[in-house]
Amino acid sequence: DIQMTQSPSSLSASVGDRVTITCRASQSISSYLNWYQQKPGKAPKLLIYAASSLQSGVPSRFSGSGSGTDFTLTISSLQPEDFATYYCQQSYSTTFTFGPGTKVDIK
Amino acid sequence: EVQLVESGGGVVQPGGSLRLSCAASGFTFDDYAMHWVRQAPGKGLEWVSLISGDGGSTYYADSVKGRFTISRDNSKNSLYLQMNSLRTEDTALYYCAKAYYDSSGYYAFDIWGQGTMVTVSS
Repeated sequence: DIQMTQSPSSLSASVGDRVTITCRASQSISSYLNWYQQKPGKAPKLLIYAASSLQSGVPSRFSGSGSGTDFTLTISSLQPEDFATYYCQQSYSTTFTFGPGTKVDIK
Repeated sequence: EVQLVESGGGVVQPGGSLRLSCAASGFTFDDYAMHWVRQAPGKGLEWVSLISGDGGSTYYADSVKGRFTISRDNSKNSLYLQMNSLRTEDTALYYCAKAYYDSSGYYAFDIWGQGTMVTVSS
């Protein structure tokens, strides 16, 4: 089975900061990598699919990159509404594994 | 408006059964595969099960294989998850999610319900 890891597990940042979250797959998954945002008490929201494609309606300050086993999610200028937990997910195999999440909170 | 609404959660004893439902609206239901994803309290997301648009193909996480059954009724725009032999570790918020495919074949979950809570406890 494909395992997903994320780093860091949490980070503290200020409004306006550039934030980068890393996701690693245990084997190559090409570009079959998605990113979701989840706020407390809410369902996850799709941000990025196919490693770098921005989902419709998602602000352009979010971007994704990578292929193979190493991927990044970048928030170019953190906004108050971006404080949340971020999950990566592989869609290469029908186990659809999620990473453990990265919690972004206010410094 | 595209919407998914789950129901059927509750408290059940270990070894018991429960059937979750997910009502879909705002899209052509039988055009899309559907998923169940769960989240234990304070924990991350765990994919549970997938069913194809016509219901002919199903997939399960190893943790639920042989105990859970996913199904759908396209005439009712509804998705189901029959959960048998429930264990305390099945306690979680269960979400249904719609599959998204792009023109290049990439795949994600683009619409999620609000979730229904399942608590397995004696």
